[in-house]
Amino acid sequence: AQKVTQAQTEISVVEKEDVTLDCVYETRDTTYYLFWYKQPPSGELVFLIRRNSFDEQNEISGRYSWNFQKSTSSFNFTITASQVVDSAVYFCALSEANNNAGNMLTFGGGTRLMVKP
Amino acid sequence: KAGVTQTPRYLIKTRGQQVTLSCSPISGHRSVSWYQQTPGQGLQFLFEYFSETQRNKGNFPGRFSGRQFSNSRSEMNVSTLELGDSALYLCASSEGPPISYEQYFGPGTRLTVT
Repeated sequence: AQKVTQAQTEISVVEKEDVTLDCVYETRDTTYYLFWYKQPPSGELVFLIRRNSFDEQNEISGRYSWNFQKSTSSFNFTITASQVVDSAVYFCALSEANNNAGNMLTFGGGTRLMVKP
Repeated sequence: KAGVTQTPRYLIKTRGQQVTLSCSPISGHRSVSWYQQTPGQGLQFLFEYFSETQRNKGNFPGRFSGRQFSNSRSEMNVSTLELGDSALYLCASSEGPPISYEQYFGPGTRLTVT
């Protein structure tokens, strides 16, 4: 069965600091998809990124970057020069590609990021 | 395009009652999934519907059920409510199979059972 672990339950940083959110996953499938979502206080989950298991290239989008390493089953998320608006709960999720799994997402427990001015 | 909409946004029910939640997916999306979020259990998958068929179901009792209509709108129903059913219920839509597209979530329905 698949599992996602986000060991950091809460992180607090001061604005402009860089911060990395860790995500470790477990799956028996060779084809799978990894996701990051942001949940601000409003409650809605905001999609950030989707990567498939065959694409280990790191990705950068503005202040956000993602480091996917199959060798360590990790998909870490870094925010550079954090801002107060980055304060939210961040979830890492996994979806297996086998037909029985459908679109089911398995979420980690989330990391609450607090960025102080 | 309009995002995923969920109604109602807030609900207060009494133990033993039943409740129906509604979700309208993004136009063109044919897959709708439901998730329950609680402080203790986190985000848990309830079920997924595609083309009016339940494609997958999470580990929840039979009191939780759902359906999807021909226009892809979906409803979920919880019968004989228990205090532990108090949660944020999130609906997500995606383009659907065969591959796992990104899912876009609605604002959720916050259910309180007293």
